[in-house]
Amino acid sequence: DAGVIQSPRHEVTEMGQEVTLRCKPISGHNSLFWYRQTMMRGLELLIYFNNNVPIDDSGMPEDRFSAKMPNASFSTLKIQPSEPRDSAVYFCASRMTGLNQPQHFGDGTRLSIL
Amino acid sequence: AQTVTQSQPEMSVQEAETVTLSCTYDTSESDYYLFWYKQPPSRQMILVIRQEAYKQQNATENRFSVNFQKAAKSFSLKISDSQLGDAAMYFCAYRSAVGGGADGLTFGKGTHLIIQP
Repeated sequence: DAGVIQSPRHEVTEMGQEVTLRCKPISGHNSLFWYRQTMMRGLELLIYFNNNVPIDDSGMPEDRFSAKMPNASFSTLKIQPSEPRDSAVYFCASRMTGLNQPQHFGDGTRLSIL
Repeated sequence: AQTVTQSQPEMSVQEAETVTLSCTYDTSESDYYLFWYKQPPSRQMILVIRQEAYKQQNATENRFSVNFQKAAKSFSLKISDSQLGDAAMYFCAYRSAVGGGADGLTFGKGTHLIIQP
């Protein structure tokens, strides 16, 4: 079975540029989560969706960050304009409805803003 | 808001020995889920084990087991017969069961586990 698929795996860009990270959840999973991992702050939840609807975006650090889920099989996390402090590993995870269902993580996107 | 604390930034153990990683959490909720995730250098996040707070029995998965102390809000991970492949960062995580459990995970800062051959 295909797991959560994230692209790109690595992204290096200059500050000020727009960055788009992509995620394809596991088929049949109806909750999707975006996390950010840094050395200083560890793993933080940015936003999550249930049935394609954003439920809680209180973790999104600034208005420069936005996330969409146009359908059940695709989500994007966009940073515009990007800044060096946005450099981190960004993870997408998905899970099926049900209290006992765990989250399954993608391999992450390592983002470096120069 | 819930918090998760892992007080051991790094642990080292001899191969084949047993090691215990500590995790404490703070919550006012009575129903929730706890997880241990493993992150090897490849940076994958791999679910190791999970525990439902309403279950008194400690979860086990092969060489991995937990000691869940609900009153003390403690959730430690024991790895028996440590293997070189166990070397990784280990993260403790909390998830609320309120609202259908749809919330995201709250993670601790992690423990770096080193296996000495």
